[in-house]
Amino acid sequence: ETGVTQTPRHLVMGMTNKKSLKCEQHLGHNAMYWYKQSAKKPLELMFVYNFKEQTENNSVPSRFSPECPNSSHLFLHLHTLQPEDSALYLCASSQELTLTEAFFGQGTRLTVV
Amino acid sequence: AQTVTQSQPEMSVQEAETVTLSCTYDTSESDYYLFWYKQPPSRQMILVIRQEAYKQQNATENRFSVNFQKAAKSFSLKISDSQLGDAAMYFCAYRGWNRDDKIIFGKGTRLHILP
Repeated sequence: ETGVTQTPRHLVMGMTNKKSLKCEQHLGHNAMYWYKQSAKKPLELMFVYNFKEQTENNSVPSRFSPECPNSSHLFLHLHTLQPEDSALYLCASSQELTLTEAFFGQGTRLTVV
Repeated sequence: AQTVTQSQPEMSVQEAETVTLSCTYDTSESDYYLFWYKQPPSRQMILVIRQEAYKQQNATENRFSVNFQKAAKSFSLKISDSQLGDAAMYFCAYRGWNRDDKIIFGKGTRLHILP
């Protein structure tokens, strides 16, 4: 347990559904990240938040909508997803952007049907 | 742009033996960090070992050690006395020295431990 908790662990949703992924960290970190992990591909950084402000959006489609209400919580709102969006979504946090490593959650395994 | 390459998608090693996972990277920077992360079936990414590029001494962490060859841009991970619990995906990662630099990951190597 690294102090970063993600819920749910598994999610199956239809292409017309709206769902949200939640990430919570109890490490006092100020930076939080969403990563997408697909089979046989490098981890893809999706969004970065630093002190609740979005500092990076790596050309992610608008059907993914992040929200960071405070430094401890990060959400990823999903709507009208495609089957190719099925992947493991990992949340991570670090002490500001200068920390040399990130602490990861266990991920949400998302399946879009 | 920086890239990280892990050329071995899968490897197997006998329990108690030693295995080396390869990683190469490309960067024009002189100062940076390199990491090995482990992702067991629980899916949580766990930092195994970290190397600062300015340090010539190879990092070690119990049974895990690295062979850092800066000129060759190579950063291999050696696992000694392999244990069943070492079975996982291993990701090599690079991070620049600057404040806004993000971690860049390789595609990973799946390591199987044979009893």
